[in-house]
Amino acid sequence: GESVGLHLPTLSVQEGDNSIINCAYSNSASDYFIWYKQESGKGPQFIIDIRSNMDKRQGQRVTVLLNKTVKHLSLQIAATQPGDSAVYFCADTYTGANSKLTFGKGITLSVRP
Amino acid sequence: DAGITQSPRHKVTETGTPVTLRCHQTENHRYMYWYRQDPGHGLRLIHYSYGVKDTDKGEVSDGYSVSRSKTEDFLLTLESATSSQTSVYFCAISDRSGGNEQFFGPGTRLTVL
Repeated sequence: GESVGLHLPTLSVQEGDNSIINCAYSNSASDYFIWYKQESGKGPQFIIDIRSNMDKRQGQRVTVLLNKTVKHLSLQIAATQPGDSAVYFCADTYTGANSKLTFGKGITLSVRP
Repeated sequence: DAGITQSPRHKVTETGTPVTLRCHQTENHRYMYWYRQDPGHGLRLIHYSYGVKDTDKGEVSDGYSVSRSKTEDFLLTLESATSSQTSVYFCAISDRSGGNEQFFGPGTRLTVL
């Protein structure tokens, strides 16, 4: 993931709307990508992952899209709920011995009732 | 939190004192990681372990040491705490290196006065 500055950007959405959270990564060798959700005072929680041989993967109410050409990842949340309010961040790595995750700094999702 | 506990959950200490944080897992995962999370920096890797007694440095290892004498425990020691080490510390585990998700503990909030 890439730097987004001192203050996390915020995405504000209406309850029931769809949310799209974007992430850019810099390492063209990365072939594995993860989205995490972090609620206030808690550790990051795994949401969904995708490997570079795919460009889309769906989970329950979430979809991850991968565009390797422009090194871009997005997380789509359908029918956003108040419980989705959290910080979301992406991470990327490459498949290899002792390779490590590189984390983005995150985006705050705020859901309006 | 995927069978991961951290202790203590909160600690206030004074500059110059040694501090040890503990991460305990019940998943029998081979890989364990220590991160710190600070505003504007996201998650940064301090040290990691790829097996009992096998550890290596991350990107921000200065002032920290680790030990792993058994699979389930990974200790992080601040040899002489400084105010710049005030942070939230997260432990993570993984059953494979690279190309695999990491699961995080609940975190330890450390304040160095």
